[in-house]
Amino acid sequence: GDSVTQMEGPVTLSEEAFLTINCTYTATGYPSLFWYVQYPGEGLQLLLKATKADDKGSNKGFEATYRKETTSFHLEKGSVQVSDSAVYFCALSFYGNNRLAFGKGNQVVVIP
Amino acid sequence: ETGVTQTPRHLVMGMTNKKSLKCEQHLGHNAMYWYKQSAKKPLELMFVYSLEERVENNSVPSRFSPECPNSSHLFLHLHTLQPEDSALYLCASSQPKRGLDTGELFFGEGSRLTVL
Repeated sequence: GDSVTQMEGPVTLSEEAFLTINCTYTATGYPSLFWYVQYPGEGLQLLLKATKADDKGSNKGFEATYRKETTSFHLEKGSVQVSDSAVYFCALSFYGNNRLAFGKGNQVVVIP
Repeated sequence: ETGVTQTPRHLVMGMTNKKSLKCEQHLGHNAMYWYKQSAKKPLELMFVYSLEERVENNSVPSRFSPECPNSSHLFLHLHTLQPEDSALYLCASSQPKRGLDTGELFFGEGSRLTVL
């Protein structure tokens, strides 16, 4: 079935460091891809999305590019802040279908 | 203030209790969802309601019983739960555009359930 795989383990880094969170997917066809973020004590919220190959989603300094050839959608930010500490979820769905398949999420901790 | 409100935020119950989780959305959406979030596991889609009709039930045990009385409210009735049902239960809503879903869900803050 369709699934999303995120790199294992929490990510701890210093303020202003470069952040990368890997996400790969398995799907038949061409899904839409998403990154959701969950700040402490809150529900998930959409961070960015891309609906077709080579599209780049961006928001709040975060970027991710839909790579069909590597079935990946890695999340990057050039200079993280303490306020970026959260759990980040990669997800996929097919256009017209809101049945999102989520990855396990990655806890990101940014220390001053 | 979030557009999707869940109550209670925290619930502790014994295995023989009956309780309910409530979700209310103030966004005018017509689809609502229940997700289960457990540690170190992907979010699990439990139920989907569209226009108050249940359109999906992902093999969820019958001890979880959803109810959607109108497009703004969604309940999850709980009875004879097991300790492994302890998790964060998230409600979400969405609104299709031009008849198609966009993949954007709006989540509540969740109800943290502990089953003793």
